Amino acid sequence: AAGVIQSPRHLIKEKRETATLKCYPIPRHDTVYWYQQGPGQDPQFLISFYEKMQSDKGSIPDRFSAQQFSDYHSELNMSSLELGDSALYFCASSSPATGNYGYTFGSGTRLTVV
Amino acid sequence: GEDVEQSLFLSVREGDSSVINCTYTDSSSTYLYWYKQEPGAGLQLLTYIFSNMDMKQDQRLTVLLNKKDKHLSLRIADTQTGDSAIYFCAETPGYSSASKIIFGSGTRLSIRP
Repeated sequence: AAGVIQSPRHLIKEKRETATLKCYPIPRHDTVYWYQQGPGQDPQFLISFYEKMQSDKGSIPDRFSAQQFSDYHSELNMSSLELGDSALYFCASSSPATGNYGYTFGSGTRLTVV
Repeated sequence: GEDVEQSLFLSVREGDSSVINCTYTDSSSTYLYWYKQEPGAGLQLLTYIFSNMDMKQDQRLTVLLNKKDKHLSLRIADTQTGDSAIYFCAETPGYSSASKIIFGSGTRLSIRP
């Protein structure tokens, strides 16, 4: 079965650079969520989109922005990167038709800021 | 408020049962989950339970929900070395089908031979 695809798997950036993370949800899933997991921490909700509109916002820094495109894929744009942004970034997708038990997470993008 | 708490570590002997506990604060939570995360890997949904259920069993996994006490537990029968991982309790607060998931801090399960 198709899963949530995230790219790239690994990314190394320098401080103050920008990064773009991509997420391709499961086909027919219209809701996308972004999470950040720091070393040894639990995943923290950043932002979500439903039908290309922002549906909820968590602890996302102002330096980050995200959007969902017409094909339902989503991109997380991160600017002025800081060392503390080093983390595993997960994307998850779901569809109201599958209910709240339909969340599927991608394998994550590991961002390292040096 | 939204808060999910669980103990950080659990060590069990191979073949024994593991019981991982979790408490949550949002009484409006309609769905509760257990996710498994192996080192360097993604989040794998193990099982979920609706808030109107008391128990759910799926092969070696048993989930118990005490809604009055807002207590959720995951029992893994016949624990194997492959069960070593971090187990996250999680909830979706509210009733929206597009609700975010709130995770606990995770319980690291280690298996003794």
